[in-house]
Amino acid sequence: GAVVSQHPSRVICKSGTSVKIECRSLDFQATTMFWYRQFPKQSLMLMATSNEGSKATYEQGVEKDKFLINHASLTLSTLTVTSAHPEDSSFYICSARPLWVGPAFFGQGTRLTVV
Amino acid sequence: GQQVMQIPQYQHVQEGEDFTTYCNSSTTLSNIQWYKQRPGGHPVFLIQLVKSGEVKKQKRLTFQFGEAKKNSSLHITATQTTDVGTYFCAGTPGGSQGNLIFGKGTKLSVKP
Repeated sequence: GAVVSQHPSRVICKSGTSVKIECRSLDFQATTMFWYRQFPKQSLMLMATSNEGSKATYEQGVEKDKFLINHASLTLSTLTVTSAHPEDSSFYICSARPLWVGPAFFGQGTRLTVV
Repeated sequence: GQQVMQIPQYQHVQEGEDFTTYCNSSTTLSNIQWYKQRPGGHPVFLIQLVKSGEVKKQKRLTFQFGEAKKNSSLHITATQTTDVGTYFCAGTPGGSQGNLIFGKGTKLSVKP
């Protein structure tokens, strides 16, 4: 299947700092990528849809200014958690679909811990 | 809003027992997909069902899509410890722009 690479896999940062997470589609172009957040023992919560060359579409309740998304190329989307706080600690996962109605391929996820 | 309900949330079985997880959508789906997430890992695509009443098998796994294209099930026969993980269904609402709506997942644990 298609490959989506996410980096870093783990990050620990101090409260108040910003963290950037990268999501790359390695063998296909992705005009759209999806960012999810997953709390322990819970499901995937869609945060936003990242659109290449345009603004991301955020789900209700997700702060746009806190979770900055940039999709500057057809193979790269980034999620920046700004001014991180301990409550932002979570597992963040990106995904992309090579075919609009086909399966989604997920990155390995990023475990963010804010101390 | 559009929702995909998945039950049960947890299932504990003895190795060798069968396991089934169910998904129900509030709206008709154009397709439904199933994913498996191992502990500590990321969701991995298992299968996609598109046709009304479709049934697909992958070894011990049987996937069904309801006639009304609003519900689906995943059945595992004779579970093994390697089946441990969380199984998610994800549906694409008919007429939507392809967004996947995930169920909350069923976490399967298998006792050897």
